[in-house]
Amino acid sequence: SQQGEEDPQALSIQEGENATMNCSYKTSINNLQWYRQNSGRGLVHLILIRSNEREKHSGRLRVTLDTSKKSSSLLITASRAADTASYFCATLISSGSARQLTFGSGTQLTVLP
Amino acid sequence: DTGVSQNPRHKITKRGQNVTFRCDPISEHNRLYWYRQTLGQGPEFLTYFQNEAQLEKSRLLSDRFSAERPKGSFSTLEIQRTEQGDSAMYLCASSSMTLPGETQYFGPGTRLLVL
Repeated sequence: SQQGEEDPQALSIQEGENATMNCSYKTSINNLQWYRQNSGRGLVHLILIRSNEREKHSGRLRVTLDTSKKSSSLLITASRAADTASYFCATLISSGSARQLTFGSGTQLTVLP
Repeated sequence: DTGVSQNPRHKITKRGQNVTFRCDPISEHNRLYWYRQTLGQGPEFLTYFQNEAQLEKSRLLSDRFSAERPKGSFSTLEIQRTEQGDSAMYLCASSSMTLPGETQYFGPGTRLLVL
């Protein structure tokens, strides 16, 4: 079952603009991760934020986490056409031997040149 | 390229046939995962190995699915008596206990089409 839900499902912006994607989840987590997937390809890990962190930066990426609202956001600044892809949030719930990531259904980002 | 490789990249088969996929993880990673992804959806967890031990299986993994990791290195996923509903992208990922948050690195996937 999908733990996270991304919002919006699709987003289209002009090159140079910022893109914000949101993710909500249902249960307590150890960490939340964002992945990117180009069409028909595998997933690329972008950034991880632990449950005790509130904000994290990596290059043009900024991730926030609000555990009280069970939500996260991914901001991509100064977007480029090459950022066009699907973006997924994934939560890690480590319990005993369990180590599975639970993914949302993704946001399809299109950056127009 | 994350260092995780999967073969074949594409597979077309007829309903009722058996198929087998292979995953070669990053060499120093002791954890290996299989996920399934259908069009427009995020990946769904199937199963997970730590070294050669299969520690967790999803309810999605019916009796027709079996996965092995005999020497704690590469893994195979076999689907017996394939059905059209098995058509999907099958993704493999690996991780190491020493990585922060156990970041999982994904392979390019095997796209299966069952006719």
